[in-house]
Amino acid sequence: DVKVTQSSRYLVKRTGEKVFLECVQDMDHENMFWYRQDPGLGLRLIYFSYDVKMKEKGDIPEGYSVSREKKERFSLILESASTNQTSMYLCASRGAGSYNEQFFGPGTRLTVL
Amino acid sequence: SQKIEQNSEALNIQEGKTATLTCNYTNYSPAYLQWYRQDPGRGPVFLLLIRENEKEKRKERLKVTFDTTLKQSLFHITASQPADSATYLCAFNAGNNRKLIWGLGTSLAVNP
Repeated sequence: DVKVTQSSRYLVKRTGEKVFLECVQDMDHENMFWYRQDPGLGLRLIYFSYDVKMKEKGDIPEGYSVSREKKERFSLILESASTNQTSMYLCASRGAGSYNEQFFGPGTRLTVL
Repeated sequence: SQKIEQNSEALNIQEGKTATLTCNYTNYSPAYLQWYRQDPGRGPVFLLLIRENEKEKRKERLKVTFDTTLKQSLFHITASQPADSATYLCAFNAGNNRKLIWGLGTSLAVNP
């Protein structure tokens, strides 16, 4: 059974803290994605990676960075968390090939106080 | 810019009826469309993919159509059940096929 796991389901941090969100997939997928989802705004792509050490900005990369040192792991970093980064964060992976679907993790609900 | 629109209003239907959800897109001709289901507090789950050269795709009680002239995809759930209650998202490939453009989703409630 395919699996995408995220390090935490719920996380509470303070403004200014550095936050790490980890995502691991066991499907040997080339592509990995980080989204945030907010009511009324839908899924918004923050960053994605199509290969180890490769990354590309999504639609809302400001305030975030990512790291992909190993194929199975994709990390999202909030360098200095702010209250407007309170959101549901979803990681996804997808195999190579144009018609493959995305597999999502369970999500991390981050609250920044 | 590429845009995708879904019914913003929630859809309420009676158990046993067919639910029909709409996805419209503009300023683009996608190679395929995907449909996902999302339950509250969880990640989306893939349901169906339909390619531009396919008119219709079926999977059990689910049916998807793709009309490239109307720039529209319809998602049908036949013999709907309360367990089908969820938000349904449509998405299409962006130009380089590396990422998806997502709709905001339509909430479906099936009443017993």
